[in-house]
Parts: sequence; structure tokens; C-alpha cells
Amino acid sequence: KQEVTQIPAALSVPEGENLVLNCSFTDSAIYNLQWFRQDPGKGLTSLLLIQSSQREQTSGRLNASLDKSSGRSTLYIAASQPGDSATYLCAVRPQGGSEKLVFGKGTKLTVNP
Amino acid sequence: SAVISQKPSRDICQRGTSLTIQCQVDSQVTMMFWYRQQPGQSLTLIATANQGSEATYESGFVIDKFPISRPNLTFSTLTVSNMSPEDSSIYLCSVLQGNTEAFFGQGTRLTVV
Repeated sequence: KQEVTQIPAALSVPEGENLVLNCSFTDSAIYNLQWFRQDPGKGLTSLLLIQSSQREQTSGRLNASLDKSSGRSTLYIAASQPGDSATYLCAVRPQGGSEKLVFGKGTKLTVNP
Repeated sequence: SAVISQKPSRDICQRGTSLTIQCQVDSQVTMMFWYRQQPGQSLTLIATANQGSEATYESGFVIDKFPISRPNLTFSTLTVSNMSPEDSSIYLCSVLQGNTEAFFGQGTRLTVV
């Protein structure tokens, strides 16, 4: 059974700092991995999608990497801003035709001005 | 990216009553997904809704408690029946675009009193 773990559960940093959020998964047989952002009480916003054949994806100040063999992904946020404060969720889609996403519990990020 | 409108955005309901949540997508999709996010927890898939057939429920979720309709390729509803305080959660609908990237509605924050 696929399990997704995100460490740390919470992170507080000063504005301008570069930071890394971690995601690990137990079964390397994945179709893709997706990072989301969730603001309090709201839905999910897709940030980056990495296919199983890819090593990384970039969008603006965000860079996500994928090491499928070790079951790890990282989300790098450069020059953090208070507006980046949110919960960041990692989700994997298993191989084998399943459309179901398996989510981690998220990392709650606070960027202090 | 797919645009998903979900309503209501929040509601406070009496125990024993039912609430129907609507999800409208701006493009035709084969499958729509309903997730639940309990307080402090990650997202869990409730069921997959296909147009023209009965929804497929995940382990621990049953049709009598969470009936789903899928009348066409752009719309679905989830009903939370005979509610109890344990049903207080955020409910989210989701679609896969191009069978790869997942998009979510803004969520329905349900409180049962």
C-alpha cells in the first residue's frame, strides 16, 4: 500500500529565505507526482506536476525534483515571501491505471515578514 | 487548466440532515473524483464518478451515506446523508486533465452541529 510522508509538518522562516520541503513515498511504482498549495479552509491549487520519467520541474520561484528509485521528492522555494504562507501537499499517482491520488499530510509553511 | 466551481463553499448543518454539494467543470471530463479532508488530516478519496454508470466507492465509504450523481460530463453532486459531527470536513471535487494533472475545486467546508 502506497504511503506518502511529508517532513517537516510545519516550518516557519523569515522572508527572503530559500527553503526545501520534503516528500517521501513507499512504493516507487508511480505514474506521476504532484505538488499542491492549500490555503486555510480552501481547495487545492496545482503547483507542479512531475511525470515518472522526469527528474524535475520548474515554475517561477518553485522547483520540484523527483528521485523515484529512492522514493523522494523535494519542493524548493526560492526567496520566500509572506504570500507563500500556506500548506503544501504532495500527492502521488500509482502506476497501473489507477487515477487515485495518495496524499501526504502536508507541510504548513509560515513566512514571516 | 480546468476550472472547477464548487458550491456551497461552506455550510453549518444540524445533525441528522443531509447536504448536497455541487461541482461544475468548464470542460467535459470522463471521471470526477470526490475527496474528504478531515481536520488536521490529508485528503482521502471517497469515490470516483463516471457519467452513465454508478460511482465507484473506496473502502470505508458507502453509497447510502454518500450518494453521488453524474448526469453529464461537466457536473456532479455529492450528498452527505444523515450527518453527524464526525462528518465535519472539507469536501473537494477533482478532475484529471489530459489524464495526467489533477485540478480541484475550492472545497466545501462542512460543520455539523
